[in-house]
Amino acid sequence: DADVTQTPRNRITKTGKRIMLECSQTKGHDRMYWYRQDPGLGLRLIYYSFDVKDINKGEISDGYSVSRQAQAKFSLSLESAIPNQTALYFCATSGVYSNQPQHFGDGTRLSIL
Amino acid sequence: GQQLNQSPQSMFIQEGEDVSMNCTSSSIFNTWLWYKQDPGEGPVLLIALYKAGELTSNGRLTAQFGITRKDSFLNISASIPSDVGIYFCAGHLGGSNYKLTFGKGTLLTVNP
Repeated sequence: DADVTQTPRNRITKTGKRIMLECSQTKGHDRMYWYRQDPGLGLRLIYYSFDVKDINKGEISDGYSVSRQAQAKFSLSLESAIPNQTALYFCATSGVYSNQPQHFGDGTRLSIL
Repeated sequence: GQQLNQSPQSMFIQEGEDVSMNCTSSSIFNTWLWYKQDPGEGPVLLIALYKAGELTSNGRLTAQFGITRKDSFLNISASIPSDVGIYFCAGHLGGSNYKLTFGKGTLLTVNP
Protein backbone atom coordinates (compact mmCIF):
# COMPACT_ATOMS: atom_id res chain seq x y z
CA ASP A 1 0.00 0.00 0.00
CA ALA A 2 1.18 3.52 -0.76
CA ASP A 3 2.50 5.58 2.15
CA VAL A 4 0.89 8.76 0.77
CA THR A 5 -2.53 8.22 -0.82
CA GLN A 6 -4.38 10.80 -2.85
CA THR A 7 -8.02 10.65 -3.89
CA PRO A 8 -9.40 10.96 -6.45
CA ARG A 9 -6.67 10.14 -8.99
CA ASN A 10 -8.54 11.88 -11.78
CA ARG A 11 -11.34 14.42 -11.78
CA ILE A 12 -13.11 16.37 -14.48
CA THR A 13 -15.46 19.11 -13.39
CA LYS A 14 -17.02 22.37 -14.50
CA THR A 15 -16.13 25.97 -13.80
CA GLY A 16 -17.65 27.23 -10.55
CA LYS A 17 -17.89 23.86 -8.84
CA ARG A 18 -16.43 23.20 -5.40
CA ILE A 19 -13.86 20.44 -5.37
CA MET A 20 -12.01 18.68 -2.58
CA LEU A 21 -8.85 16.66 -3.03
CA GLU A 22 -7.86 14.38 -0.19
CA CYS A 23 -4.55 13.13 1.07
CA SER A 24 -3.82 10.58 3.75
CA GLN A 25 -0.49 9.20 4.93
CA THR A 26 0.74 6.24 6.92
CA LYS A 27 4.31 7.51 7.36
CA GLY A 28 3.62 9.14 10.73
CA HIS A 29 4.98 12.44 9.45
CA ASP A 30 3.98 15.73 11.04
CA ARG A 31 4.51 17.90 7.97
CA MET A 32 2.23 17.83 4.94
CA TYR A 33 2.22 19.87 1.73
CA TRP A 34 0.12 20.51 -1.35
CA TYR A 35 1.75 21.29 -4.71
CA ARG A 36 0.52 21.81 -8.22
CA GLN A 37 2.51 20.80 -11.28
CA ASP A 38 2.14 22.49 -14.65
CA PRO A 39 4.15 21.72 -17.79
CA GLY A 40 7.26 23.86 -17.92
CA LEU A 41 6.67 25.34 -14.47
CA GLY A 42 7.71 22.49 -12.24
CA LEU A 43 6.24 22.03 -8.77
CA ARG A 44 4.79 25.02 -6.93
CA LEU A 45 3.76 25.00 -3.29
CA ILE A 46 0.13 25.87 -2.52
CA TYR A 47 -0.18 25.28 1.25
CA TYR A 48 1.74 23.48 3.95
CA SER A 49 1.06 22.32 7.50
CA PHE A 50 3.58 21.46 10.19
CA ASP A 51 1.04 19.92 12.54
CA VAL A 52 -2.71 19.66 13.05
CA LYS A 53 -3.07 23.24 14.33
CA ASP A 54 -0.67 24.81 11.86
CA ILE A 55 -1.64 25.96 8.33
CA ASN A 56 0.50 28.19 6.12
CA LYS A 57 0.19 29.66 2.67
CA GLY A 58 2.71 28.72 0.01
CA GLU A 59 3.64 30.49 -3.21
CA ILE A 60 0.26 30.22 -4.97
CA SER A 61 -2.51 29.92 -2.36
CA ASP A 62 -5.09 32.23 -3.99
CA GLY A 63 -8.21 30.29 -4.95
CA TYR A 64 -7.37 27.38 -2.65
CA SER A 65 -8.03 26.42 0.96
CA VAL A 66 -6.90 23.49 3.09
CA SER A 67 -7.94 21.55 6.15
CA ARG A 68 -5.73 19.41 8.38
CA GLN A 69 -8.26 17.05 9.89
CA ALA A 70 -5.74 14.86 11.67
CA GLN A 71 -2.01 14.19 11.63
CA ALA A 72 -2.55 11.76 8.78
CA LYS A 73 -5.04 13.76 6.69
CA PHE A 74 -4.68 16.99 4.73
CA SER A 75 -7.28 18.07 2.18
CA LEU A 76 -7.17 20.77 -0.49
CA SER A 77 -10.30 22.59 -1.63
CA LEU A 78 -11.07 24.71 -4.65
CA GLU A 79 -14.09 26.74 -3.57
CA SER A 80 -15.08 27.83 -7.08
CA ALA A 81 -12.96 26.09 -9.68
CA ILE A 82 -11.70 27.97 -12.74
CA PRO A 83 -10.06 26.56 -15.88
CA ASN A 84 -6.54 27.81 -15.05
CA GLN A 85 -6.61 25.54 -12.01
CA THR A 86 -6.40 22.59 -14.38
CA ALA A 87 -3.18 20.86 -13.31
CA LEU A 88 -1.64 17.85 -11.63
CA TYR A 89 -1.85 18.15 -7.83
CA PHE A 90 0.50 16.42 -5.42
CA CYS A 91 0.42 15.91 -1.70
CA ALA A 92 3.72 15.37 0.11
CA THR A 93 4.84 14.63 3.66
CA SER A 94 8.07 14.99 5.59
CA GLY A 95 9.46 14.40 9.04
CA VAL A 96 9.88 17.02 11.73
CA TYR A 97 13.46 17.97 10.88
CA SER A 98 13.55 20.62 8.19
CA ASN A 99 16.12 18.89 5.99
CA GLN A 100 14.25 15.60 5.80
CA PRO A 101 13.13 14.81 2.24
CA GLN A 102 9.53 15.14 1.17
CA HIS A 103 7.68 12.04 0.00
CA PHE A 104 4.98 12.42 -2.62
CA GLY A 105 1.67 10.78 -3.42
CA ASP A 106 0.81 9.69 -6.96
CA GLY A 107 -1.13 12.85 -7.73
CA THR A 108 -4.60 13.96 -8.76
CA ARG A 109 -5.11 14.99 -12.36
CA LEU A 110 -7.73 17.76 -12.27
CA SER A 111 -9.41 19.15 -15.36
CA ILE A 112 -11.79 22.10 -15.15
CA LEU A 113 -13.94 22.75 -18.18
CA GLY B 1 13.69 34.23 -4.46
CA GLN B 2 15.88 31.22 -5.05
CA GLN B 3 15.81 29.61 -8.46
CA LEU B 4 17.26 26.36 -9.67
CA ASN B 5 18.45 26.05 -13.23
CA GLN B 6 18.28 22.44 -14.31
CA SER B 7 19.87 21.24 -17.53
CA PRO B 8 19.39 19.82 -19.99
CA GLN B 9 15.61 20.17 -20.33
CA SER B 10 15.46 16.91 -22.27
CA MET B 11 17.74 14.13 -23.41
CA PHE B 12 17.37 11.36 -25.97
CA ILE B 13 19.89 8.56 -25.55
CA GLN B 14 20.50 4.98 -26.58
CA GLU B 15 20.21 2.15 -24.10
CA GLY B 16 23.56 1.50 -22.47
CA GLU B 17 24.78 5.10 -22.61
CA ASP B 18 25.70 7.12 -19.55
CA VAL B 19 23.70 10.25 -18.68
CA SER B 20 24.61 13.39 -16.80
CA MET B 21 22.34 16.23 -15.68
CA ASN B 22 22.91 19.11 -13.30
CA CYS B 23 21.36 21.88 -11.31
CA THR B 24 22.81 25.26 -10.45
CA SER B 25 21.57 27.94 -8.12
CA SER B 26 22.31 31.57 -7.41
CA SER B 27 21.93 30.78 -3.70
CA ILE B 28 23.50 28.32 -1.32
CA PHE B 29 21.55 25.23 -0.30
CA ASN B 30 22.28 22.95 2.66
CA THR B 31 20.52 19.92 1.23
CA TRP B 32 20.22 18.71 -2.36
CA LEU B 33 17.67 16.10 -3.39
CA TRP B 34 17.14 14.23 -6.65
CA TYR B 35 13.71 12.83 -7.57
CA LYS B 36 12.38 10.81 -10.51
CA GLN B 37 8.82 11.04 -11.78
CA ASP B 38 7.37 8.27 -13.92
CA PRO B 39 4.33 9.01 -16.12
CA GLY B 40 1.15 9.08 -14.04
CA GLU B 41 2.99 8.91 -10.74
CA GLY B 42 4.43 11.23 -8.14
CA PRO B 43 8.11 12.12 -7.72
CA VAL B 44 10.11 9.43 -5.96
CA LEU B 45 13.24 10.28 -3.99
CA LEU B 46 16.41 8.86 -5.54
CA ILE B 47 19.26 10.42 -3.59
CA ALA B 48 19.61 12.94 -0.74
CA LEU B 49 22.83 14.91 -0.19
CA TYR B 50 23.55 16.75 3.05
CA LYS B 51 27.19 17.89 2.95
CA ALA B 52 29.19 19.97 0.49
CA GLY B 53 31.40 17.68 -1.58
CA GLU B 54 29.35 14.59 -0.72
CA LEU B 55 29.24 11.93 -3.43
CA THR B 56 26.50 9.33 -3.02
CA SER B 57 25.48 6.34 -5.13
CA ASN B 58 22.25 4.41 -5.42
CA GLY B 59 22.77 1.51 -7.81
CA ARG B 60 23.60 2.96 -11.23
CA LEU B 61 22.89 6.48 -10.00
CA THR B 62 25.54 8.79 -8.56
CA ALA B 63 24.95 12.32 -7.31
CA GLN B 64 27.26 14.95 -5.91
CA PHE B 65 26.72 18.00 -3.72
CA GLY B 66 28.92 20.76 -5.17
CA ILE B 67 31.69 22.27 -3.07
CA THR B 68 30.25 25.78 -3.47
CA ARG B 69 26.82 24.44 -2.28
CA LYS B 70 25.30 26.10 -5.34
CA ASP B 71 25.19 23.09 -7.62
CA SER B 72 24.61 19.35 -7.86
CA PHE B 73 24.81 16.76 -10.59
CA LEU B 74 23.24 13.36 -11.19
CA ASN B 75 24.83 10.65 -13.32
CA ILE B 76 23.14 7.50 -14.56
CA SER B 77 25.42 4.79 -15.87
CA ALA B 78 24.52 2.15 -18.46
CA SER B 79 20.98 3.46 -19.01
CA ILE B 80 18.08 1.04 -19.47
CA PRO B 81 14.56 1.65 -20.85
CA SER B 82 13.00 1.92 -17.38
CA ASP B 83 15.18 4.96 -16.67
CA VAL B 84 12.73 6.94 -18.81
CA GLY B 85 11.02 9.71 -16.86
CA ILE B 86 11.46 13.23 -15.55
CA TYR B 87 14.29 13.88 -13.12
CA PHE B 88 14.00 16.78 -10.69
CA CYS B 89 16.59 18.36 -8.47
CA ALA B 90 15.48 20.16 -5.33
CA GLY B 91 17.33 22.32 -2.86
CA HIS B 92 16.64 23.03 0.78
CA LEU B 93 18.11 25.77 2.94
CA GLY B 94 17.71 23.85 6.16
CA GLY B 95 17.29 25.30 9.61
CA SER B 96 13.82 26.72 10.20
CA ASN B 97 13.16 27.24 6.49
CA TYR B 98 10.41 24.95 5.20
CA LYS B 99 10.81 25.67 1.52
CA LEU B 100 11.96 23.09 -1.00
CA THR B 101 12.94 24.74 -4.29
CA PHE B 102 12.55 22.52 -7.37
CA GLY B 103 14.23 22.61 -10.74
CA LYS B 104 11.95 22.33 -13.77
CA GLY B 105 13.07 18.82 -14.59
CA THR B 106 15.02 16.88 -17.20
CA LEU B 107 12.96 14.61 -19.44
CA LEU B 108 14.95 11.49 -20.23
CA THR B 109 14.08 9.22 -23.15
CA VAL B 110 15.99 5.97 -23.62
CA ASN B 111 15.82 4.24 -26.98
CA PRO B 112 16.14 0.45 -26.74
